[in-house]
Amino acid sequence: GIQVEQSPPDLILQEGANSTLRCNFSDSVNNLQWFHQNPWGQLINLFYIPSGTKQNGRLSATTVATERYSLLYISSSQTTDSGVYFCAAPTGGGNKLTFGTGTQLKVEL
Amino acid sequence: DTAVSQTPKYLVTQMGNDKSIKCEQNLGHDTMYWYKQDSKKFLKIMFSYNNKELIINETVPNRFSPKSPDKAHLNLHINSLELGDSAVYFCASSLGIPVGYTFGSGTRLTVV
Repeated sequence: GIQVEQSPPDLILQEGANSTLRCNFSDSVNNLQWFHQNPWGQLINLFYIPSGTKQNGRLSATTVATERYSLLYISSSQTTDSGVYFCAAPTGGGNKLTFGTGTQLKVEL
Repeated sequence: DTAVSQTPKYLVTQMGNDKSIKCEQNLGHDTMYWYKQDSKKFLKIMFSYNNKELIINETVPNRFSPKSPDKAHLNLHINSLELGDSAVYFCASSLGIPVGYTFGSGTRLTVV
């Protein structure tokens, strides 16, 4: 099955800093999703991004499907951005998501 | 509120017991899922139902039995609980091929 790897595994930022999280996938995909799991465990869907770039406030995501990677940009980070960021790709005929290993982000004052 | 709601939020039980987790969505989605998140935060699919029909059954012990009475509900029953079943179980739903994936708030199961 498809392998989904994320880097870095851990990241600590000072509030206000920018960061880029990377997701590599081993096979062609027809969509790619990013999720944020907050410190209370809630998983929130951030982006559905099969290709190109999307922006939502301070967050933006870019997927280059032909090169099998996606990037999540966080600008002007805030403490509320802390948590784990997952990317996920559909497999099994598109009926399930295979999740990456996640990037644990901590934003400090 | 439109959402995926699962109950209970916490479940502490002894080895060998049987327990159930319930999930309901009011988003009008036609596909529902159970995922397991282990202590290292790794998320893995367990089951998927589309319009009450089982479409994905990963290599999950048959002590785990999902049931979908209708497309808005997907419950998970676990027999003869073991220590290794301790994890956070998430219910999710989507419209067809996973677009608009929405997760419930999770059930933290602790087997002692």
